[in-house]
Amino acid sequence: DIQMTQSPSTLSTSVGDRVTITCRASQSVGSWLAWYQQKPGKAPKLLIYKASTLYSGVPSRFSGSGSGTEFTLTISSLQPDDFAIYYCQQYNTYSTFGQGTKVEIK
Amino acid sequence: QVQLQQWGAGLLKPPETLSLICAVYGGSFNGYYWSWIRQPPGKGLEWIGDINHSGSTNYNPSLKSRVTISIDTSKNHFSLNLSSVTAADTAVYYCARGPVSRITISGVAPVYFDYWGQGTLVTVSS
Repeated sequence: DIQMTQSPSTLSTSVGDRVTITCRASQSVGSWLAWYQQKPGKAPKLLIYKASTLYSGVPSRFSGSGSGTEFTLTISSLQPDDFAIYYCQQYNTYSTFGQGTKVEIK
Repeated sequence: QVQLQQWGAGLLKPPETLSLICAVYGGSFNGYYWSWIRQPPGKGLEWIGDINHSGSTNYNPSLKSRVTISIDTSKNHFSLNLSSVTAADTAVYYCARGPVSRITISGVAPVYFDYWGQGTLVTVSS
C-alpha cells in the first residue's frame, strides 16, 4: 500500500496569508496526485489533479506542484471561504488519501 | 450538470449487510470509474472500490473480502454492498465519479474524483 502523509496536521493562519501544505508519498506516485477541500458536513471538492492541473472553476489562488514522492498545495492569498480541511490523494496505484490538513483561523 | 444522489439504510446491526445506491444524473457512464469512499466520524477518507460501465471492478485489498460493487446502466445507478458490518464500519459513505485518464499494465484505471454524492451516514450498533 502507498501511504500518504500530510504536514502540518493543523495550520493556524489569517486571511491574506500564503499557505503551503505538503503531502509525501511512501513511494513514487509520479504525477498522479489530487487535492481536495472539505468543509464540515459536505463532500470533498476537487481542487487540483495530476499534481498541478487546476480543476475547472477553482480559483487561481490555488496551485499544486511536485512529482514522485513530494507534493505541495499552495494558496497564494487565503480567503475567508478557504478555511477547511485539505486532503491529498494518490491515484498511481488504486487510491489512498492523506490524513488531512485543517486550515483554521489564527 | 452531473449529479450523484445516493441513498440507503442508515442504521445497521452487526453482522448485517450495508447496501447503498448511487444514482447518476446528467452524464454518461462511459469513460469513468464509479467509486465508493468512506469517512469515519472525525477521520480521513478511505477508498472502498470502483466499477466501470462494463462491470469491471477494483477493490481496496483491506475490504475486498466483504465488498461487492455492481452497476445497472439501464437504471443509471451503481451500488455498494458491504457484508458482515461491525462498529468499525460506521462512517459517512460517499459515491463519486472518476475520469479515466490511463490504464496501468495490470489493467487497473486509478482515478481522481470530480463529482461526489451528498454522503450517507451509516451507523453500526448492536
